[in-house]
Amino acid sequence: QKEVEQNSGPLSVPEGAIASLNCTYSDRGSQSFFWYRQYSGKSPELIMSIYSNGDKEDGRFTAQLNKASQYVSLLIRDSQPSDSATYLCAAPKISGYALNFGKGTSLLVTP
Amino acid sequence: ETGVTQTPRHLVMGMTNKKSLKCEQHLGHNAMYWYKQSAKKPLELMFVYNFKEQTENNSVPSRFSPECPNSSHLFLHLHTLQPEDSALYLCASSQTGGGLEQYFGPGTRLTVT
Repeated sequence: QKEVEQNSGPLSVPEGAIASLNCTYSDRGSQSFFWYRQYSGKSPELIMSIYSNGDKEDGRFTAQLNKASQYVSLLIRDSQPSDSATYLCAAPKISGYALNFGKGTSLLVTP
Repeated sequence: ETGVTQTPRHLVMGMTNKKSLKCEQHLGHNAMYWYKQSAKKPLELMFVYNFKEQTENNSVPSRFSPECPNSSHLFLHLHTLQPEDSALYLCASSQTGGGLEQYFGPGTRLTVT
């Protein structure tokens, strides 16, 4: 089992809808989780960090963490075409110094 | 300069050339990372440095040689590369060696001819 898993998509949602991106992780000891957005040809940009169970909201973005189910999600409300990108989920590696990144979910918001 | 910077942004090199990629972070972090991202592929971690010491080398070929002279600067020396090494090379930094947010530079788009 890979440490961090995401559906590769593409996930297509109409403009104005809620986009829901999901991620599962294997290390029960993980304490922190991150969502990055990566536009085609650009570098990943950190958009959300979450450390405790429950929801964390920042503007149109909500990160949800369920440690019992080892599940992290990112909700994007009122999706815009500019949200079309690949979203990467990440969690610290079990040992050493680094993050495990998922393969990313491609999101397409259609006008 | 703010955040993480990388130079050059684009590089074309022949297989017999030697070149270097430079990364500088202005965030006061103490860990730095090199990643490779090939077209439509996931991020591949190459090297990790924590307080200038290399802590991880993910079986990277010796034609890639990292150097970290201090916590703010990271280099990737390239020599006798192969066409399959063409990719986006990303540098990142974080506050500690692991577990906290990593911030990425804009990347160097490398083409090996």
